[in-house]
Amino acid sequence: DAGVIQSPRHEVTEMGQEVTLRCKPISGHDYLFWYRQTMMRGLELLIYFNNNVPIDDSGMPEDRFSAKMPNASFSTLKIQPSEPRDSAVYFCASSLFADYYNEQFFGPGTRLTVL
Amino acid sequence: GQNIDQPTEMTATEGAIVQINCTYQTSGFNGLFWYQQHAGEAPTFLSYNVLDGLEEKGRFSSFLSRSKGYSYLLLKELQMKDSASYLCAVLDSNYQLIWGAGTKLIIKP
Repeated sequence: DAGVIQSPRHEVTEMGQEVTLRCKPISGHDYLFWYRQTMMRGLELLIYFNNNVPIDDSGMPEDRFSAKMPNASFSTLKIQPSEPRDSAVYFCASSLFADYYNEQFFGPGTRLTVL
Repeated sequence: GQNIDQPTEMTATEGAIVQINCTYQTSGFNGLFWYQQHAGEAPTFLSYNVLDGLEEKGRFSSFLSRSKGYSYLLLKELQMKDSASYLCAVLDSNYQLIWGAGTKLIIKP
């Protein structure tokens, strides 16, 4: 398997623009996680899905953020409108389980810069 | 509240041994993970402990004491490629992974 795939790897945009991040989890994994990582706040869980259904979105910072998983092989994280404070690395991860030994496999991340 | 504490940064010498500590206070416990993250890369899984004791995996070992809310990651025979951040994460009673801020390990020749 190719592992978790994310695109784009880098995104530079201007404040107010819409940003869409994409993720393809490992085939057969039932759980998909979206994280944000910054120097100040470390790794933060934004939302996770089980079998394409959002389970916990309590980490989504505000209404400007939305995530979807239309099928088992694709998910998007959208920011509209984007702000400079959204600049971070966004990781997507997938796992077979969400309990006990739930090793999460991370994608390479999308480095987002909002000017 | 839920809290995981790790030292921010540690320095060690190539060939030596280093121990990275992690203490946690969480609502329930269903296991503790250690991940390694090289600069500019994604975290990768190192170890999982759910029972007390030491788990050894090559040069890396992880220890857990549930009664003390404490774990450590032990790295032996340090190599330059071990320079990275090491993240401690605890699975709480709701099976949510609570992440520590990570410990940046710097290896000097």
